[in-house]
Amino acid sequence: DAGVTQSPTHLIKTRGQQVTLRCSPKSGHDTVSWYQQALGQGPQFIFQYYEEEERQRGNFPDRFSGHQFPNYSSELNVNALLLGDSALYLCASTLFWDRLNQPQHFGDGTRLSIL
Amino acid sequence: DQQVKQNSPSLSVQEGRISILNCDYTNSMFDYFLWYKKYPAEGPTFLISISSIKDKNEDGRFTVFLNKSAKHLSLHIVPSQPGDSAVYFCAADLTGANSKLTFGKGITLSVRP
Repeated sequence: DAGVTQSPTHLIKTRGQQVTLRCSPKSGHDTVSWYQQALGQGPQFIFQYYEEEERQRGNFPDRFSGHQFPNYSSELNVNALLLGDSALYLCASTLFWDRLNQPQHFGDGTRLSIL
Repeated sequence: DQQVKQNSPSLSVQEGRISILNCDYTNSMFDYFLWYKKYPAEGPTFLISISSIKDKNEDGRFTVFLNKSAKHLSLHIVPSQPGDSAVYFCAADLTGANSKLTFGKGITLSVRP
């Protein structure tokens, strides 16, 4: 049973560049959420996708955008990268209609470093 | 504004003893709470959850207690094992629908052999 998979594992970018991170949800899950975890902090909710639409959004600027594909996989895009965007980006998946019995499963994350 | 607070950054416990990890929250609309464990270079792993209609939930060595009037929950691990050494995050959800989790900063638990 495949868990949540994320790629790439590590990424180094420079200020002003754009980045795309990818996530495949756990088998059987249809809802994907993205979180940002800065050093020494807990994960912070960015947004959630279900049925290829953004359903909820946290307190992040429009530079952060996403997409969900028909196979439920998802991408997180960040434009005009800032030094403060350096963080671990976590993807989590669940089943939309059984969320109470399906706690979010997390991937191992993508470590993004901005120089 | 930190709505979920884990005020103790670290805890050290002897193997076999009880570990008690605390978490406080400020938003009275939170009604579903979860604990996750995280090892270095891995994503958070779900441990146990509790709905606001309960005050206790057990799963093996792990028990979560919820005190709604105090807006406080705690995770008890008995007995503690060296493999429990990790960062523990408390998380809360508004709707009980497990959709937009608010996390604390985490507590680093060290279990000494």
